[in-house]
Amino acid sequence: EPEVTQTPSHQVTQMGQEVILRCVPISNHLYFYWYRQILGQKVEFLVSFYNNEISEKSEIFDDQFSVERPDGSNFTLKIRSTKLEDSAMYFCASSVGPGRGNEQFFGPGTRLTVL
Amino acid sequence: GENVEQHPSTLSVQEGDSAVIKCTYSDSASNYFPWYKQELGKRPQLIIDIRSNVGEKKDQRIAVTLNKTAKHFSLHITETQPEDSAVYFCAPHTGRRALTFGSGTRLQVQP
Repeated sequence: EPEVTQTPSHQVTQMGQEVILRCVPISNHLYFYWYRQILGQKVEFLVSFYNNEISEKSEIFDDQFSVERPDGSNFTLKIRSTKLEDSAMYFCASSVGPGRGNEQFFGPGTRLTVL
Repeated sequence: GENVEQHPSTLSVQEGDSAVIKCTYSDSASNYFPWYKQELGKRPQLIIDIRSNVGEKKDQRIAVTLNKTAKHFSLHITETQPEDSAVYFCAPHTGRRALTFGSGTRLQVQP
């Protein structure tokens, strides 16, 4: 069964450094998402992406964040200058279509630790 | 935006008992109601969902019931097993692309 994959599984970085988190969505999916989960808290939406542009973003997704689909398979999240509070698990997800009934499949996550 | 609340935040049951988790939401436009299960250190996984034109849906030991008038839906797990221990999240959906997750319910099934 196809799955969403993410790399790396764990990223440790110094405050102020840039990080890029990578995701490979399921191949026939058209909608891509990033969520984050601070340890012990709920999953929070960051951004959704369709047709090579952002379709929706939350207030968390400020100017420090950007997303890109650099080729036909990868979907990346860049954090330009990391802060301590960016430490979290970052989940990528993808779905065939938008809206109700289109299950979002989650990747295994990247644990980001900012020191 | 959508305001989602889950109750209880933690739930401990004996193996074989039933567990019920309730999710309330604020957006009357919500029309899709999934439940996700997240085991420790793992990804959220969809376990059951229901659409707004249906009041109840069952899949083996799990079921979801929906009350659109009262704006809440519930997850029911019968004959609980230790492997049901996890955090459960509701994520009512308005048809917008993002999921709004509840705060989660930590279920502990005691053998």
